[in-house]
Amino acid sequence: SQQGEEDPQALSIQEGENATMNCSYKTSINNLQWYRQNSGRGLVHLILIRSNEREKHSGRLRVTLDTSKKSSSLLITASRAADTASYFCATVDGGSNYKLTFGKGTLLTVNP
Amino acid sequence: DVKVTQSSRYLVKRTGEKVFLECVQDMDHENMFWYRQDPGLGLRLIYFSYDVKMKEKGDIPEGYSVSREKKERFSLILESASTNQTSMYLCASSLTELTTDTQYFGPGTRLTVL
Repeated sequence: SQQGEEDPQALSIQEGENATMNCSYKTSINNLQWYRQNSGRGLVHLILIRSNEREKHSGRLRVTLDTSKKSSSLLITASRAADTASYFCATVDGGSNYKLTFGKGTLLTVNP
Repeated sequence: DVKVTQSSRYLVKRTGEKVFLECVQDMDHENMFWYRQDPGLGLRLIYFSYDVKMKEKGDIPEGYSVSREKKERFSLILESASTNQTSMYLCASSLTELTTDTQYFGPGTRLTVL
């Protein structure tokens, strides 16, 4: 069953702009992870935020987590054409051990 | 760097054929996973394995089986391929059973069943 749902489904911006993607989920989680997938390739892990954390940074990435609203956001600052990809959130349910449940993804297009 | 490889990038098979998809990881990871990815449905877990010869069903195991005879290799088997199994198949591995472990993905196999 799908846990995370990303919003928007697609996003198109110009190089240099910031991109924000949101993820909502339904049940309690252990942690939430964001992955990137370039067209036709495998997924690459970007960042993990634990359920007791509210914000995390990694380079140009900023992730927030609001467990009361069951939502997370991924912000990419100063976007580049190379950031063009699909972005997925994935949750580890509170009752699970290592099973990730992925959302359907946001397709980000960064225009040069 | 962790490397997860899949035996084929593209595969075309006929309905009713037995299909083997192979996945190999080179970092001594305990866990391995098979997903399928379809437009509008995202990634769905088919099976995962937490140790040699150990496996658990994921969300959509019907029509699939798996084999893990060696720690580094995890095979997905379609006993009798059907057209609704046309999809992108992604293999992944993670070091341990800890929930904070990252999953490392292979490049994917795009399977077409005619």
